[in-house]
Amino acid sequence: RKEVEQDPGPFNVPEGATVAFNCTYSNSASQSFFWYRQDCRKEPKLLMSVYSSGNEDGRFTAQLNRASQYISLLIRDSKLSDSATYLCVVKDTGNQFYFGTGTSLTVIP
Amino acid sequence: DAGITQSPRHKVTETGTPVTLRCHQTENHRYMYWYRQDPGHGLRLIHYSYGVKDTDKGEVSDGYSVSRSKTEDFLLTLESATSSQTSVYFCAISEIKGRREKLFFGSGTQLSVL
Repeated sequence: RKEVEQDPGPFNVPEGATVAFNCTYSNSASQSFFWYRQDCRKEPKLLMSVYSSGNEDGRFTAQLNRASQYISLLIRDSKLSDSATYLCVVKDTGNQFYFGTGTSLTVIP
Repeated sequence: DAGITQSPRHKVTETGTPVTLRCHQTENHRYMYWYRQDPGHGLRLIHYSYGVKDTDKGEVSDGYSVSRSKTEDFLLTLESATSSQTSVYFCAISEIKGRREKLFFGSGTQLSVL
């Protein structure tokens, strides 16, 4: 069983749409949670950390459900520039980070 | 920009040759990581380091070795490259502020083993 699982998509949405991604993790003792964004042929870049109470950064909202072991990312008012692959990342109690395979998003004009 | 430089950016080599990839950081971070990224697998940890001369294996360490003789440099070596090691390699550092820890990545190295 993979440590982190994501729906690979692809998600194709029109500009202005709201889109949500989910991610599940297997280790209930996991400590830290993140969403990263990766553009084609580029390195992953931190989009936002995910806190237990949920957090928002502009059009992006992240939620954590520890009981069900899933993390979500909501993007409101999608822009063309949001087109990318979104990676769910979980850190365990040691020193290792585990990555989902990523969810591909294309925002269509 | 977390001050991470990877070199080379691209490398084409032949099966059986040794290859060394370099990761250099300028901000004195203790933890450094090497990942490979392949379609359908996401990023997988090869090796990581938690200090000078302190390293440990990750999920896919077979065929790879690492060295960290200075805080700023973390080297990944393929002793005898194979075609299955064709991949994109990313170095990362862990930035720790209080109880928060985040990963930042270098720009990656595209390695092709023919």
